Parts: sequence; C-alpha cells; structure tokens
Amino acid sequence: NAGVTQTPKFQVLKTGQSMTLQCAQDMNHEYMSWYRQDPGMGLRLIHYSVGAGITDQGEVPNGYNVSRSTTEDFPLRLLSAAPSQTSVYFCASGEDRQETQYFGPGTRLLVL
Amino acid sequence: DQQVKQNSPSLSVQEGRISILNCDYTNSMFDYFLWYKKYPAEGPTFLISISSIKDKNEDGRFTVFLNKSAKHLSLHIVPSQPGDSAVYFCAAYNTDKLIFGTGTRLQVFP
Repeated sequence: NAGVTQTPKFQVLKTGQSMTLQCAQDMNHEYMSWYRQDPGMGLRLIHYSVGAGITDQGEVPNGYNVSRSTTEDFPLRLLSAAPSQTSVYFCASGEDRQETQYFGPGTRLLVL
Repeated sequence: DQQVKQNSPSLSVQEGRISILNCDYTNSMFDYFLWYKKYPAEGPTFLISISSIKDKNEDGRFTVFLNKSAKHLSLHIVPSQPGDSAVYFCAAYNTDKLIFGTGTRLQVFP
C-alpha cells in the first residue's frame, strides 16, 4: 500500500492563478480531509468528506473547493490563489470519521 | 476562536526524564481526543487516543490523561528519548470534524 499520496510536493503560483492539489489513498478509506499548516496556527481543517459524493466545510474553507467523485481521490482546488494561501497542505484519510487519520507527506505552496 | 489550545509552544527535557505535554479545549461536545507527532517535512502520524468515557489510556511509554471537568488532557512520555524530539499536536473530534491544536515542539537532549 502506498498509503496517502499528495502531488505536487512543492508549487509556486502567482496571485490569481488557479491550481489543483491532488490527494489519493489506496486504503479504501471513506473519510478524507484537507488541512493547512501555518506557523503558530497548527493544523486547520479546510474541507472534509465522509464518503464519495459528500463533502463539507471545515474551519477555513474560503478560497478552496473540493469534490469527491471516487473513494480514492480528494482533490483540493484553489480558484484564484492569494498570498494568504501560502502554506503547507496536508491530506488525510481514515476508515471512518473517528478512526485514526493517516496523513500524506504534504504539499508546500508558495503564492507570490 | 481556538477550540483546542496548546499553550506551551516548546518544551525541553533531558533524556530519560518524563515529558508532559498539555492541551486544553473549550467545546464540551468533543468526545474523542488524539495526539499526533510530526517530524519536519513529514505528515503527522497518530500516537495515542482517548475516548471521553475514559480518563486514562496507555500505550508503552505514552500515556494520555483526560480531565473532562477541567477540559484538559495531557500526554506523558516516560522515559523520554532523543527520537521523541518532534512537534506534538493535540486534536479533538467535534462530530465529523477533527480539530487540531497549535502544537508543542518537544526537544529531548542527552
């Protein structure tokens, strides 16, 4: 099992550009989520999904979109990147909402 | 509004001694708590958890204590080892959402 994979590892964007951060898991987990990590702020929940076709907002959803068309994939879309979205993004998955969550290695995003 | 708080950004402990990491929460609806450990340039990894119906859970060198009346939990590491040096995040479940604290950087020195 590859576990949770994220691509790209690192990305530089200009303000206003759009991009999609990819997340995939091969553990057949129903629950998936996206977090961002910023200095002094810990990990903040952006969006989460309890199964294919079901998504909901977390603590800091503004500026981000998600969809969950398959169990395996949970992409995070930045529609119009802003410098405030410079962060490290982590995707996680778990068998259920209250089971242990497994995190991917992260995507470091820099918005200029 | 920080629902899960880790008020100590860093902690330094000598190898072999006990490390105690603290976490406070404000939402009485939280019913499941976890600790995650994070090394630089890696994703967080699960360490230990506790349900709100318990007040203690042990796993080897790691013990988590929960005080519901004080809305406080703590992680004890005994004995501390240099490999334990990492950032530790406390987290709590509010229905479907897993909410994290800001983290405590633990350094274990020889």
